[in-house]
Amino acid sequence: DIQMTQSPSTLSASLGDRVTITCRASQSISRWLAWYQQKPGKAPTLLIYKASTLESGVPSRFSGSGSGTEFTLTISSLQPDDFATYYCQQYYSYWTFGQGTKVEIK
Amino acid sequence: QVQLVESGGGVVQPGRSLRLSCAASGFTFSSYGMNWVRQAPGKGLEWVATIWFDGSNIYYADSVKGRFTISRDNSQNTLYLQMNSLRAEDTAVYYCAKDAIISSGFYFFDYWGQGTPVTVSS
Repeated sequence: DIQMTQSPSTLSASLGDRVTITCRASQSISRWLAWYQQKPGKAPTLLIYKASTLESGVPSRFSGSGSGTEFTLTISSLQPDDFATYYCQQYYSYWTFGQGTKVEIK
Repeated sequence: QVQLVESGGGVVQPGRSLRLSCAASGFTFSSYGMNWVRQAPGKGLEWVATIWFDGSNIYYADSVKGRFTISRDNSQNTLYLQMNSLRAEDTAVYYCAKDAIISSGFYFFDYWGQGTPVTVSS
């Protein structure tokens, strides 16, 4: 089974900050990685797929990069709507989610 | 627009069964793989099961294999999850989610339902 490890688990940041979340896979998954955003009490929403492709309608301040085993999600300038929990997901072999990164207000 | 509406959740005793449904609309249901994902209280997302567009391939997480059965009725645009021998650790919100890509394969999920809560407790 492929394990996904996100870091950090919690991130405290201020409005306008540049924020980076890392996701590591236990083996190479090429670029078969997606990122989701989840707000309390709501379903996750898709942000990025294939490591760096922005889903339609997602603000351009979100970007993804990486391949193989190491991936990053970057928010270039944190906005009020961005305080949420973020999950990575590999879909190279079955499906596995990272444990999540909560972005909170500093 | 795409809509996924789960139902069937509730409180059930350990060892009992429950069947979840997910009613789909706004897309050609019979062309997309479908998935169940759960989230225990205060925890992260856990993939549970996947069924291909035509039901020809089905996959389960080890944690539910042999106890849960995913199925679909393409004539009714509905996805199901039959959950047997329920355990306390199955307590979670259960989401159905649609594959982003038409046809079969391992894909990411582009639409999710609002979730239905399942509590396993005596």
